[in-house]
Amino acid sequence: GENVEQHPSTLSVQEGDSAVIKCTYSDSASNYFPWYKQELGKRPQLIIDIRSNVGEKKDQRIAVTLNKTAKHFSLHITETQPEDSAVYFCAAIDIWGYSTLTFGKGTMLLVSP
Amino acid sequence: NAGVTQTPKFRVLKTGQSMTLLCAQDMNHEYMYWYRQDPGMGLRLIHYSVGEGTTAKGEVPDGYNVSRLKKQNFLLGLESAAPSQTSVYFCASSYSAGTRGGTEAFFGQGTRLTVV
Repeated sequence: GENVEQHPSTLSVQEGDSAVIKCTYSDSASNYFPWYKQELGKRPQLIIDIRSNVGEKKDQRIAVTLNKTAKHFSLHITETQPEDSAVYFCAAIDIWGYSTLTFGKGTMLLVSP
Repeated sequence: NAGVTQTPKFRVLKTGQSMTLLCAQDMNHEYMYWYRQDPGMGLRLIHYSVGEGTTAKGEVPDGYNVSRLKKQNFLLGLESAAPSQTSVYFCASSYSAGTRGGTEAFFGQGTRLTVV
């Protein structure tokens, strides 16, 4: 099955700085890569996703890049704000298991004012 | 439109007791999933269903059973609870992935289960 590695496990930045979270996946046939944000005590919610036919996708301060050759994808948050503080999960589709998502272990992002 | 709703939100069980977690979705999704979330472990798939009457094992299925008798409901059962099953459980649902390879998964609010 799919294996997703996520780094770093914690990331502390100052408000206004950029934050980058990186993930690698093992199955070269995977073709869907979502990112979820989970605030403390809340449910995970999708913030951005990318499919394998696209190299980059942007939504305001959030962007995701995908390198299919290297099998890695990254989340970029610019001009971070305290409300960006949360745990972020990357995921990849496991197309051999009826397309179930495999998640990374998460990155706790702390944005200090 | 409630989305994905889990019942109960909190529960404390004694070792050996049984319980059922209920997940209901009103988005007419084909796929439903049960995940457990433990500190530092991310979200791990327990069981999933690709349609009414079907279920399949995920990454960590031992000690759990599931049923999907109706399209909108997905039940997770613990027959004999163990302290290792103390966790936060999330249900999720999505449209059929098909050849596109994946669609957004919508999560319930979670169930915090403690087994003592």
